[in-house]
This record gives sequence, structure tokens and C-alpha cells, in this order.
Amino acid sequence: AQSVTQLGSHVSVSEGALVLLRCNYSSSVPPYLFWYVQYPNQGLQLLLKYTTGATLVKGINGFEAEFKKSETSFHLTKPSAHMSDAAEYFCALSNFMFSGGYNKLIFGAGTRLAVHP
Amino acid sequence: DTAVSQTPKYLVTQMGNDKSIKCEQNLGHDTMYWYKQDSKKFLKIMFSYNNKELIINETVPNRFSPKSPDKAHLNLHINSLELGDSAVYFCASSHSGEGLLYGYTFGSGTRLTVV
Repeated sequence: AQSVTQLGSHVSVSEGALVLLRCNYSSSVPPYLFWYVQYPNQGLQLLLKYTTGATLVKGINGFEAEFKKSETSFHLTKPSAHMSDAAEYFCALSNFMFSGGYNKLIFGAGTRLAVHP
Repeated sequence: DTAVSQTPKYLVTQMGNDKSIKCEQNLGHDTMYWYKQDSKKFLKIMFSYNNKELIINETVPNRFSPKSPDKAHLNLHINSLELGDSAVYFCASSHSGEGLLYGYTFGSGTRLTVV
């Protein structure tokens, strides 16, 4: 069965510091991987995605993530945190390959990022 | 604006009542979903429809009944509401097949509070 594990339910960084949010996955077929961000009282917004090809993917707001098959990881990074980055971040895996054309996103438990001055 | 829109945004109701949440998307997607986000922010899929056909039905109480009158609309009706139904319910949509490469688009959520 596919699953997503996000290490650290809360991460706190200083403004200007590196942001690293960890995501590990379990899948017996090549996964599609996504990072979503949820600002308070809002819906989820797609940050970036990995499907095939280049393993380092860039997203919106300066975020990027690297797919590492050997480590079954898809960690999210940003070189310099901004106050506006404070939000809940979700890593997600699609089991598209299993569903014969249909799919569902399986989410990790989320990581709350706090950015302090 | 192109989007996934849900109504209402907030819903407060008493135990035992029946309520509905509506969702509409104008993105031309053929697949729509309902997700439940609990108090710990965990997101779990409930249902998915593709072109009005139910394709995913997770372990959800029978009190929850989705309906898709067309591929642009997906509604969720909940009977005999219980305290444990309190959560944020998100509607989402996507293309099927290779269109998944573009990810899901989520609505802004409906916060249901059962008192």
C-alpha cells in the first residue's frame, strides 16, 4: 500500500533561514509526488510536483523539491524563509498507476511551518 | 474566475440534522473529489466521481451521500449529523488519465460544526 510520511509536524525557522520540510513515501510503482500549501482558513494550493524526468523540481514562491528514489524521499526546500511562508504544508502521493486511469491523492499528515523574525 | 467553488463556507448545525454542501468547477475537469480534513489537519479522500460516475468510495458512513448531476458539479449530503462529522470538507477536481500531471485544484473548504 502507498503511504506518505512527513517528519516533523511543526517546523520553526527564522526569517531568512533555510526551510527544509521532510517527506518520505512508500510505493511499489513509480510515484507521482506533490507538495501543497494551505494558508490559514484557505484551500490547498499546488506548490510543485514530480511526475517523470528531472528529479529536482521548482515550484512557486521559491520552493523546490528533489525526488530521490534510493531514499524514497521528496523533501521540500527554500533557501530563505519569508514571513509569508508560514502555513501548513502537505506532501502527497498519487496511486494513479494502480487505479487503471483513476486515482486518488494520498496525503501526509502535514507540517506546520512557523517563521519568526 | 476559473475555480472550484464550494458553498457554504461555514455551516453550524445541531446533531441529527441533515445538511448539504455544494461544489462547482469551471475548469473543464472530468473528475471531482470530496476530502475530509479533521481537527489534526489530516486529509482523507471520501469520494470521487468521473463524468458523473462514482469511482472511489472510501469507508464512509452511509449517512454521507454524494451526488454528481453533471461533471461540473459534485454535492455532498449528510444525514443525521453527528458530533464526529465536524471537520473541514474540501472539494477538488482534476483531469483523469495523463491530466493528473497537472494535479488537483481544491476549493476553499466548508467548515462544518455540529453542536
